[in-house]
Amino acid sequence: AAGVIQSPRHLIKEKRETATLKCYPIPRHDTVYWYQQGPGQDPQFLISFYEKMQSDKGSIPDRFSAQQFSDYHSELNMSSLELGDSALYFCASSSNPENSPLHFGNGTRLTVT
Amino acid sequence: DAKTTQPNSMESNEEEPVHLPCNHSTISGTDYIHWYRQLPSQGPEYVIHGLTSNVNNRMASLAIAEDRKSSTLILHRATLRDAAVYYCILRDGSDGTASKLTFGTGTRLQVTL
Repeated sequence: AAGVIQSPRHLIKEKRETATLKCYPIPRHDTVYWYQQGPGQDPQFLISFYEKMQSDKGSIPDRFSAQQFSDYHSELNMSSLELGDSALYFCASSSNPENSPLHFGNGTRLTVT
Repeated sequence: DAKTTQPNSMESNEEEPVHLPCNHSTISGTDYIHWYRQLPSQGPEYVIHGLTSNVNNRMASLAIAEDRKSSTLILHRATLRDAAVYYCILRDGSDGTASKLTFGTGTRLQVTL
């Protein structure tokens, strides 16, 4: 079965640079979620989209923005990168009805040097 | 979000059943109990969820206390591949949309031969 696809798998950037992470949800899934997981930490919710509209927002820095496109894929844009942004970024997707499970991708590992 | 409390770590022998407890004394009537697990270097993986009744699937069983203030995830025969961090998460099902998951500190399960 098709899974959530994230690209790239690994990304190395320097401080103050920008990064774009992409997420392709499972076909017919209309909700996308972004999570950040720092070293040794639990996943932290950043933002979610339902039917291309922002549906919820967590502890996402103002330097980050995201959107969901007409084909339901999503992109997380990160600017003015800081060393503390180094983390695993997971995307997940789900379908209605409510409480359908979230399906997570294998993440993008961002390293900021 | 209502909080859950899990032991930091548990150990099990391979081929034996494992009971992973979770306390959620402030659970509301619309909260679903979800379990996810995260294997090393992978995204979280859905295990099981329920509202009031016990649930079984191919991966595990979920036993929910009658007052819903606690639950237990049961792995019937642990294997080395079950070594992971297991998260018990309450997910609000009241607003009709696919709400986010809020990860707390899960239980790190070690499985030994």
